[in-house]
Amino acid sequence: KNQVEQSPQSLIILEGKNCTLQCNYTVSPFSNLRWYKQDTGRGPVSLTIMTFSENTKSNGRYTATLDADTKQSSLHITASQLSDSASYICVVRLKTSYDKVIFGPGTSLSVIP
Amino acid sequence: DGGITQSPKYLFRKEGQNVTLSCEQNLNHDAMYWYRQDPGQGLRLIYYSQIVNDFQKGDIAEGYSVSREKKESFPLTVTSAQKNPTAFYLCASSGVAGPNGEFFGPGTRLTVL
Repeated sequence: KNQVEQSPQSLIILEGKNCTLQCNYTVSPFSNLRWYKQDTGRGPVSLTIMTFSENTKSNGRYTATLDADTKQSSLHITASQLSDSASYICVVRLKTSYDKVIFGPGTSLSVIP
Repeated sequence: DGGITQSPKYLFRKEGQNVTLSCEQNLNHDAMYWYRQDPGQGLRLIYYSQIVNDFQKGDIAEGYSVSREKKESFPLTVTSAQKNPTAFYLCASSGVAGPNGEFFGPGTRLTVL
């Protein structure tokens, strides 16, 4: 069964600290993996996108890693800011006739002063 | 500015009524999608359309209908047959094979009274 799991479900960190979010997937055939940030009541916004051959990709303070062998990805946030408080969603795209995507349930991050 | 717009942002309806959610994009994307988001769950695909005048059911299409008469527009009708319609609805679009990921609209929160 094609699934995307994320951990932790929720996380609270102090402003300025780093954190790492995890994504495990059982999806085949794999096309790419993306991390989205979704602010409350808004649509998700893409942070990074990685294909099978990419191990690491950065976008400012966000760094995503991908291990295609173990089917794991992580999103590392450096020097967190209050504006990082959001839900972070891992999305895996399959190689199918219509490019089906599987969404993870998301990790809710709260950054507190 | 290119992007996706959804309207209205908030929508209330009485039980037994059909309601149509609007989604418009000016990104010249071929593919458009409708997702439903419930608290604590990943986004679930309702319908998708890869080209004009063609659309396919997603994972939870029952109680919903769509049309794709124009490339720019992909309205979603929530019918009275949808047993639990209260949710946050997100529209998205992507280019061919979605290499840059999907672009999401701001969402419509539908509440059935």
